[in-house]
Amino acid sequence: AQSVTQPDIHITVSEGASLELRCNYSYGATPYLFWYVQSPGQGLQLLLKYFSGDTLVQGIKGFEAEFKRSQSSFNLRKPSVHWSDAAEYFCAVVSGYSSASKIIFGSGTRLSIRP
Amino acid sequence: GAGVSQSPSNKVTEKGKDVELRCDPISGHTALYWYRQSLGQGLEFLIYFQGNSAPDKSGLPSDRFSAERTGGSVSTLTIQRTQQEDSAVYLCASSLEQALWNEQFFGPGTRLTVL
Repeated sequence: AQSVTQPDIHITVSEGASLELRCNYSYGATPYLFWYVQSPGQGLQLLLKYFSGDTLVQGIKGFEAEFKRSQSSFNLRKPSVHWSDAAEYFCAVVSGYSSASKIIFGSGTRLSIRP
Repeated sequence: GAGVSQSPSNKVTEKGKDVELRCDPISGHTALYWYRQSLGQGLEFLIYFQGNSAPDKSGLPSDRFSAERTGGSVSTLTIQRTQQEDSAVYLCASSLEQALWNEQFFGPGTRLTVL
């Protein structure tokens, strides 16, 4: 069965520091991969997605993610975080390309920013 | 244009009562999704609609949960005989077409507390 693991429940980084949030998935074929962000009091917003092609994808707000098939990972990165990046981040995977496809979200990583 | 709206934003109910949660998707979006987000958990996919039909109801936790969509627009998630374990944030999302790899636009959620 497919699954998504976000091993870090909570991460704190200093403002201006680099960030990497981990995501590992379990699925036999190449899945569709997503990162969503949930800011306090707001709905989830899509940061970026990977379907095929270039394994390094650029998203909004200066985020990027790299798909590594050999490691079954899709880690989210940002070179320099801002205080406004404090939020909950969710990795998600969709398997398959039919009506039987399922979407699975990870349990999330809460990001805190140290001034 | 307006985003996805949900009402009520907060609902406190007593165990055993029925509740109805409402979702207004973005105008023109044919696909609508319901998720449940429990404390410290990821998003749990409940059900999706393409138009007024729900091809896959397997994500609903029990037969106390039901959902309908009328006129291809507003959707209602009903929980009968609520239990304390139903306490969670219920999120609604919509997308232009029913395909889980399409970007979903999320509402702010309804926080349900069952006493």
